Amino acid sequence: DQQVKQNSPSLSVQEGRISILNCDYTNSMFDYFLWYKKYPAEGPTFLISISSIKDKNEDGRFTVFLNKSAKHLSLHIVPSQPGDSAVYFCAAWGHNNNDMRFGAGTRLTVKP
Amino acid sequence: ETGVTQSPTHLIKTRGQQVTLRCSSQSGHNTVSWYQQALGQGPQFIFQYYREEENGRGNFPPRFSGLQFPNYSSELNVNALELDDSALYLCASSSGLAGGSSGNEQFFGPGTRLTVL
Repeated sequence: DQQVKQNSPSLSVQEGRISILNCDYTNSMFDYFLWYKKYPAEGPTFLISISSIKDKNEDGRFTVFLNKSAKHLSLHIVPSQPGDSAVYFCAAWGHNNNDMRFGAGTRLTVKP
Repeated sequence: ETGVTQSPTHLIKTRGQQVTLRCSSQSGHNTVSWYQQALGQGPQFIFQYYREEENGRGNFPPRFSGLQFPNYSSELNVNALELDDSALYLCASSSGLAGGSSGNEQFFGPGTRLTVL
């Protein structure tokens, strides 16, 4: 069951512009959300997270927004850099769960 | 500090065979989780081991089994391999149970690419 969905398999943006990656979820028990970045031949690396008690978390060029009523979160990267080109996974934890649910990923390409 | 390592990098098996994948957790980490990532999909949770005991399991059949050793390294065993078991198998370690806002971030290894013919 796809409890975490990333409906855009790919996204291409110009260097210096904003990248917006979207994620939707169906399980209202999820209370902690994460974004991971994955380069080829490497494991996913943690990027940024947000608790369900917040609606925004910022870390440098990366900001995650959470809209609980819409069960939607997004990752904004500003400004985008070619080194940001990777697959981005949205993931969610439920309270009392040890089972992290991932979306299918969005491949971001930042063109110079 | 050594990160999470996995072996082998890739391997090819035939249907019906058995396979063992290995994971060395990051120094100081006592929790290991295993994930299966099929082509074009996100990682799917298989199970988690905490201090040598299984602590949670995803929707995978019993032919997927695991072990965690006293040094917190771990093995994933898959019996009676099926074609659909072809995937990237990821191991992630954390210092303590990873979950929710525990703050125990998971660190992933590079994965083992398993192909079942």
